[in-house]
Amino acid sequence: NAGVTQTPKFQVLKTGQSMTLQCAQDMNHNSMYWYRQDPGMGLRLIYYSASEGTTDKGEVPNGYNVSRLNKREFSLRLESAAPSQTSVYFCASNFADSGNTIYFGEGSWLTVV
Amino acid sequence: AQSVTQLDSQVPVFEEAPVELRCNYSSSVSVYLFWYVQYPNQGLQLLLKYLSGSTLVKGINGFEAEFNKSQTSFHLRKPSVHISDTAEYFCAVSFKAAGNKLTFGGGTRVLVKP
Repeated sequence: NAGVTQTPKFQVLKTGQSMTLQCAQDMNHNSMYWYRQDPGMGLRLIYYSASEGTTDKGEVPNGYNVSRLNKREFSLRLESAAPSQTSVYFCASNFADSGNTIYFGEGSWLTVV
Repeated sequence: AQSVTQLDSQVPVFEEAPVELRCNYSSSVSVYLFWYVQYPNQGLQLLLKYLSGSTLVKGINGFEAEFNKSQTSFHLRKPSVHISDTAEYFCAVSFKAAGNKLTFGGGTRVLVKP
């Protein structure tokens, strides 16, 4: 039972490079999320997808794009990485009803130099 | 704007002592409340949640939390901590009118000392 799987786990980028973080869940969840975690700031929502075929901006969407490829997969793309995007990124998923537990992946550590 | 405040960024505590982690939220609408734990270099896992009903919620690993609507608080407690409880703890809120999206507090790092 894999749950939420993210790749890659670690990545170092140069400023201006692009990359895509991949996420897949095997729990048949409707909703998927991308958060970033920075010291002292908790987790902040970048983008979410309430259901297959829909995506919406969260609290900190600038500099990112997302694709809900199918029900299982939700990718996060950095088109032109900046040092301010150095962070730990978490993908998460749950069923659509409010109050349902959100399940998190193990995180992707991204450093932009 | 809705927000979640965890009043302590770090809490050192001796093994077998009690611990309380404080969480307050601001909202004028009904909420669901969560506590998540993050062990080093891992993702977050759910400790407990309050959706409705009894205001005292029991979770995994001996943790419990109490929802206080008048004080807009959801403090987490454990009567006797273990070394293995060393982790970062996050309070989170989802607002019923805003669907599933969680708003997190800044986290409280608990360091259990022998």
